[in-house]
Amino acid sequence: GQQVMQIPQYQHVQEGEDFTTYCNSSTTLSNIQWYKQRPGGHPVFLIQLVKSGEVKKQKRLTFQFGEAKKNSSLHITATQTTDVGTYFCVINSGGYQKVTFGTGTKLQVIP
Amino acid sequence: EAQVTQNPRYLITVTGKKLTVTCSQNMNHEYMSWYRQDPGLGLRQIYYSMNVEVTDKGDVPEGYKVSRKEKRNFPLILESPSPNQTSLYFCASSFHPQALPDTQYFGPGTRLTVL
Repeated sequence: GQQVMQIPQYQHVQEGEDFTTYCNSSTTLSNIQWYKQRPGGHPVFLIQLVKSGEVKKQKRLTFQFGEAKKNSSLHITATQTTDVGTYFCVINSGGYQKVTFGTGTKLQVIP
Repeated sequence: EAQVTQNPRYLITVTGKKLTVTCSQNMNHEYMSWYRQDPGLGLRQIYYSMNVEVTDKGDVPEGYKVSRKEKRNFPLILESPSPNQTSLYFCASSFHPQALPDTQYFGPGTRLTVL
């Protein structure tokens, strides 16, 4: 099936610093979703991107879909301790029924 | 309250002893799916179901079975569990994946240990 690489695997930042995680695919994607999983919790949907070059913002979070629809990024401005967790990009294949998660980026925010 | 429930939340069992993990959603969602989560590997899809009596394999179906006899329930069956199936399992549902991929709502997870 389709594969997606997510980097970095881990990131430690001081509270107030920015954070970015990247998702890369070797094939053109129809869409990409981002989920967040808090420690001990379950994945929670954040956003979906569909259009080439699309940029969406949610408060301090900025999501971008590459022009070629092969990569995506999630940027957090001025991290807070509430941002702690693992961020996953998710792609769909097989008519949207099959789902592939990226390996995730675990964010730790140091107060 | 709209939710996905899983039972049990924690289970320790022994190799070869059949077990079932239940999953139920109260949102009238058509699509349901099972994932396993292992350190460094993210979540991997085991099986999914588009609707009642319609199921299909995900990326890691070996050693698992599912059924979808009712819209709200999607149990995961391990006929003969092995230690390599020790993992954290999540069930998820979404409204209708035929259009654009839809938001998936996840259950709280089931931590399974097979000795």
